[in-house]
Amino acid sequence: DQQVKQNSPSLSVQEGRISILNCDYTNSMFDYFLWYKKYPAEGPTFLISISSIKDKNEDGRFTVFLNKSAKHLSLHIVPSQPGDSAVYFCAASITGNQFYFGTGTSLTVIP
Amino acid sequence: DAGVTQSPTHLIKTRGQHVTLRCSPISGHKSVSWYQQALGQGPQFIFQYYEKEERGRGNFPDRFSARQFPNYSSELNVNALLLGDSALYLCASSLTAGAYTGELFFGEGSRLTVL
Repeated sequence: DQQVKQNSPSLSVQEGRISILNCDYTNSMFDYFLWYKKYPAEGPTFLISISSIKDKNEDGRFTVFLNKSAKHLSLHIVPSQPGDSAVYFCAASITGNQFYFGTGTSLTVIP
Repeated sequence: DAGVTQSPTHLIKTRGQHVTLRCSPISGHKSVSWYQQALGQGPQFIFQYYEKEERGRGNFPDRFSARQFPNYSSELNVNALLLGDSALYLCASSLTAGAYTGELFFGEGSRLTVL
């Protein structure tokens, strides 16, 4: 049972434009959400997080939005850079322990 | 500062064999979690350990076991290997294991191939 879903396996964006990666979840008990970036042959690297008491969190070029009523979160990258090309995973947890990951979205930023 | 280190990085086993994977967390981190990432999938939670005690277990059979040592390093053991156990096994460390441990810091993983 996939509790966290990333329905877009891939996304291509021109350099300088906005990248929007989406994630849906089914468990309303989730209260902590994270985004990870993964390059080939490396482990996932933490990018940004948000707790369920917020609806937005920003860190430089990265912003995560949380819509609890729709059980949806999104990651915005502005402006997109070629170095952002990687696989992005969203993850969710209850109390920040066991994390449930989506299947990932492969982002390609075209120079 | 050293990150999370895992060994071995790659290994090949045959069905029915046993495997032990090792993980050293970031210095100061007391919690270690194990995840399995099959091809084309996201990481799936296997275990979490904190202060040598199991704090969580995912939906994996009893062939999977783990332990944490006094220095906070950890081992993941898988018995009676099946073809379906072929995957990247990721170890992640975090500072604590209470509520809101914060982000997980992942190692590069151990790529297991079962033939």
